Parts: sequence; structure tokens; C-alpha cells
Amino acid sequence: DGGITQSPKYLFRKEGQNVTLSCEQNLNHDAMYWYRQDPGQGLRLIYYSQIVNDFQKGDIAEGYSVSREKKESFPLTVTSAQKNPTAFYLCASSIKDSVYNEQFFGPGTRLTVL
Amino acid sequence: AQKITQTQPGMFVQEKEAVTLDCTYDTSDPSYGLFWYKQPSSGEMIFLIYQGSYDQQNATEGRYSLNFQKARKSANLVISASQLGDSAMYFCAMREPLTQGGSEKLVFGKGTKLTVNP
Repeated sequence: DGGITQSPKYLFRKEGQNVTLSCEQNLNHDAMYWYRQDPGQGLRLIYYSQIVNDFQKGDIAEGYSVSREKKESFPLTVTSAQKNPTAFYLCASSIKDSVYNEQFFGPGTRLTVL
Repeated sequence: AQKITQTQPGMFVQEKEAVTLDCTYDTSDPSYGLFWYKQPSSGEMIFLIYQGSYDQQNATEGRYSLNFQKARKSANLVISASQLGDSAMYFCAMREPLTQGGSEKLVFGKGTKLTVNP
């Protein structure tokens, strides 16, 4: 079955630690995205990538880093520079020139800083 | 400035009845697209329905329909014959061009929590 997987589902981090959230897709989509969701809020864009080895900052990139070495994979690292990292993180992908250009989402990772 | 506004933090509906979730948007671009996503308690965002700014007819997808009023800049989601499984958060979103490369991002509203009562 084609889809987007994210791991882990739950992640706990101590202050000062970097953590990496995994996102893998087998939909053969070109573009991938990372969003952050806080309680009672919509999603906000952290980073996006349209092709391998290229990525761009979104609206709230400070304290985060990404890589896109393979088309299928777009991991997100939450660094110690991110002051308030506790949130729900969603990865998405899309294919260019589809009818709607809709984005397909993974199941999410809930990150808690202890 | 907020581009997507969902004014209903929570809505309640009886099973089998219809419900309308409100969404207004703000854009000066003549070409745009509007989406509705459902987020159950598991967290995954599920695409429901899409309306393009040039579409002549309101979008429909099974029990979901979109009441698109372009002059009012509103794109309300109508769910007919509500089911218990419809209880979830619902988000309205608009496509917005990204600065580089021709891709697009989604700008989301804050969502409406729908509860379907038996």
C-alpha cells in the first residue's frame, strides 16, 4: 500500500537534546513538507522540499533542520535551539500537476520535551 | 493577517442530521484553491474535498459538499446525514504559492471540533 509513514509516534526529549523525526513516502511524490501543530491551532509550515538535495525554509524554520538525500525520505531534526518544541509534527507530500495538488499526510509524531 | 478564518471552535450535531462548518478566506490572487481536511483523534489529516476558484459548480464528494460563495469569500463545508465517525476536527485550508520553485503550501484555519451525538 502506498502512503506516508512517520516514526516514532511518540517522542520524549530532554532539554538540550537534538532529536530526529522520520518521514518516508512510497507514493513517488516529488514534494515533501513538514508542519507543526500546536493545541487549538492549525498547521504551520516548517520546511519543504520539491526535489532531492533541495529544501527551503517555511514560516517557522528557526530551530529545525532537514535533509533530502532520497526522494522517499525527508527527516526533520529538532535542535536544542528550538525554544518550544513540544508539539505535534506532521509530514506531507504532494505530486506536481495533479488535479488538485492536494497534500497527503502521515500519521504524525507527538514530541514532548521533559 | 489571518487568511483562513473558522469562527466555530466547536459544533454539535445529532446523528443523521446535516451540519455546516464555516470558513472564510482572504486573498487577492484570482486563482486559488480551497481544501477541507478532517483530523480524527488519531492525528492524521484526511483530505475531504477541494474547490478551485474558477470552478463553476460547488464541489461534492459523497456526503461532503462545499457551499462556495466567491463574492463573500466563503467556502463552507456541508456534511449530510452525520455519522458518529464524523466526530473530529475539521480544517479549512487555502493553497498559497511558495516563493521558489513553483510549489505551494497550505495555509490552515484553526479548525472546528465537530461532535456527533447519537
